[in-house]
Amino acid sequence: DIQMTQSPSTLSASVGDRVTITCRASQTISSWLAWYQQKPGKAPKLLIYKASSLQSGVPLRFSGSGSGTEFTLTISSLQPDDFATYYCQQYNGYLWTFGQGTKVEIK
Amino acid sequence: EVQLLESGGGLVQPGGSLRLSCAASGFTFSSYAMSWVRQAPGKGLEWVSTISASGGNTYYADSVRGRFTISRDSSNNTLYLQMNSLRAEDTAVYYCAKKGTTMTPGNYFDYWGQGTLVTVSS
Repeated sequence: DIQMTQSPSTLSASVGDRVTITCRASQTISSWLAWYQQKPGKAPKLLIYKASSLQSGVPLRFSGSGSGTEFTLTISSLQPDDFATYYCQQYNGYLWTFGQGTKVEIK
Repeated sequence: EVQLLESGGGLVQPGGSLRLSCAASGFTFSSYAMSWVRQAPGKGLEWVSTISASGGNTYYADSVRGRFTISRDSSNNTLYLQMNSLRAEDTAVYYCAKKGTTMTPGNYFDYWGQGTLVTVSS
């Protein structure tokens, strides 16, 4: 199975900060990576697919990059609504796995 | 508007069975693969199972293979998850999720249900 490792596990930041979350795959997955945002008690929301494609309706401050085994999610200017937990997910092959999550907290 | 509505969760004893349902609307159900993803209390997301658009191919995580069965009924736009031999570690919120594209590979999830809680305890 492909293991996905996110860093950091927790991130403290202020409104307006630029935030970067990293996701590493245990083997190459080309660009088959998605990012989700989840708030407490809610279902996850798709932000990015195919590593860098922005899902319809998602604010432009969210962006994704990377290929192979290393990927990043960047929030260019953190907004109050962005405090949440973020997950990466690989969809290469036929066993799909998520990272363990990165919680973005208010500093 | 795409809607996914899960039902069937509840409290079950270890070794017991439960069947989850997910009623889909707002899209052409028969054109998209569908999946179940779970989240144990306070933990991260875990992919559980996927069924192809036609229903002819099914995929399972190692943790549930041989105990869970995914199926779909395109005549009433419903996804199912039959869960047998349940264990305490199966306790989680179970989400149904729609594949984001008809292309392959492409098993990311663009719409999710609200989730249904399964608790396995004596």
